[in-house]
Amino acid sequence: SQKIEQNSEALNIQEGKTATLTCNYTNYSPAYLQWYRQDPGRGPVFLLLIRENEKEKRKERLKVTFDTTLKQSLFHITASQPADSATYLCAPTLGQGGKLIFGQGTELSVKP
Amino acid sequence: GAVVSQHPSWVICKSGTSVKIECRSLDFQATTMFWYRQFPKQSLMLMATSNEGSKATYEQGVEKDKFLINHASLTLSTLTVTSAHPEDSSFYICSAILHYNEQFFGPGTRLTVL
Repeated sequence: SQKIEQNSEALNIQEGKTATLTCNYTNYSPAYLQWYRQDPGRGPVFLLLIRENEKEKRKERLKVTFDTTLKQSLFHITASQPADSATYLCAPTLGQGGKLIFGQGTELSVKP
Repeated sequence: GAVVSQHPSWVICKSGTSVKIECRSLDFQATTMFWYRQFPKQSLMLMATSNEGSKATYEQGVEKDKFLINHASLTLSTLTVTSAHPEDSSFYICSAILHYNEQFFGPGTRLTVL
């Protein structure tokens, strides 16, 4: 069955540093992979989508890589800020009708 | 940008009663909406896919008679938790597709069953 793993432990970093979050998947080959941000008590907010034929994608301070050989995506936030503190969810997706299967999420805490 | 709303944002009910949660796409039409459930410190679990004008498709293990979904229009899907019990207490979130891959999520509804 499809399995998605994200860093289960919370990630604590200092403001200004780069945060790197990992998403590994097994037993399937997603057509694309999405990253979402979720704040406590709120619904997820879409951040970035990367397709299987793309190696890297950037949006402002965010960068996502997608390695289909390693079955892994890395999510980077450069020059991190306390406002970046949240839980980040990855969703490697087959592309069937838009169904999303989420990883368990990684909680990021950026200290001033 | 695309906005999805949910109502109510939180609800407390007695065991055995039914609760209806609404999900609306405010500025776009959505032929497909999704319902998720999230327990504390866990990820979102897809419950069902709601298609306008047709029956919902439920994920394995989700009781369709307990979680009734109606998608009567292109901007509204409802989830009714029937005969709610304390174990149904959770955070329910809906999403709607604007374009093929882009999903927008509602703010969620916190259900507490006493």
